Amino acid sequence: DTAVSQTPKYLVTQMGNDKSIKCEQNLGHDTMYWYKQDSKKFLKIMFSYNNKELIINETVPNRFSPKSPDKAHLNLHINSLELGDSAVYFCASSQDGAGEETQYFGPGTRLLVL
Amino acid sequence: GNSVTQMEGPVTLSEEAFLTINCTYTATGYPSLFWYVQYPGEGLQLLLKATKADDKGSNKGFEATYRKETTSFHLEKGSVQVSDSAVYFCALSPSGAGSYQLTFGKGTKLSVIP
Repeated sequence: DTAVSQTPKYLVTQMGNDKSIKCEQNLGHDTMYWYKQDSKKFLKIMFSYNNKELIINETVPNRFSPKSPDKAHLNLHINSLELGDSAVYFCASSQDGAGEETQYFGPGTRLLVL
Repeated sequence: GNSVTQMEGPVTLSEEAFLTINCTYTATGYPSLFWYVQYPGEGLQLLLKATKADDKGSNKGFEATYRKETTSFHLEKGSVQVSDSAVYFCALSPSGAGSYQLTFGKGTKLSVIP
């Protein structure tokens, strides 16, 4: 069974469109995350949720809106896509959000904005 | 703020060569330190971690020791294999409850040739 899954795996779309990426974890974790990996492989936190509550919201344009319908899901909706949004987006989860915990990553969603 | 600096890649080694990837960090207190690995086309997975000074993390022949005095967590392996080809990320997280994020280095791409 896949621990952290994301859909879709690839997403190609036009500038100005709205798109969503879904993430689900079956590990029973309370904390979920979204990270963005740019073309140079640099990874940066975007959002953290704990028990469906937003904990961290880094300097991300408000075109990005995370939604957590329950503890097992954290979806990412992106409005008015721009060329610079092209990247790989990773979802992750951990038990409680404590610093020493391992984070478990999904396979990534490769977004290409044309 | 917290930051992680790791050696720039790419690193190319012959099979059975010795590997060192340097990682230093800046953080207050006693963060937890991690090495994550990303194989081509996949998400990140934990390679090893250490949560307090002088701890040694080890896995799959890789080792790293948490050095508080030099704020370092260098990754080593005595004899690399072609299957070790991947991107390696050093990361830190403030320890304890309520951390909710990892701060990553920029990643080091390792290529091992037969």
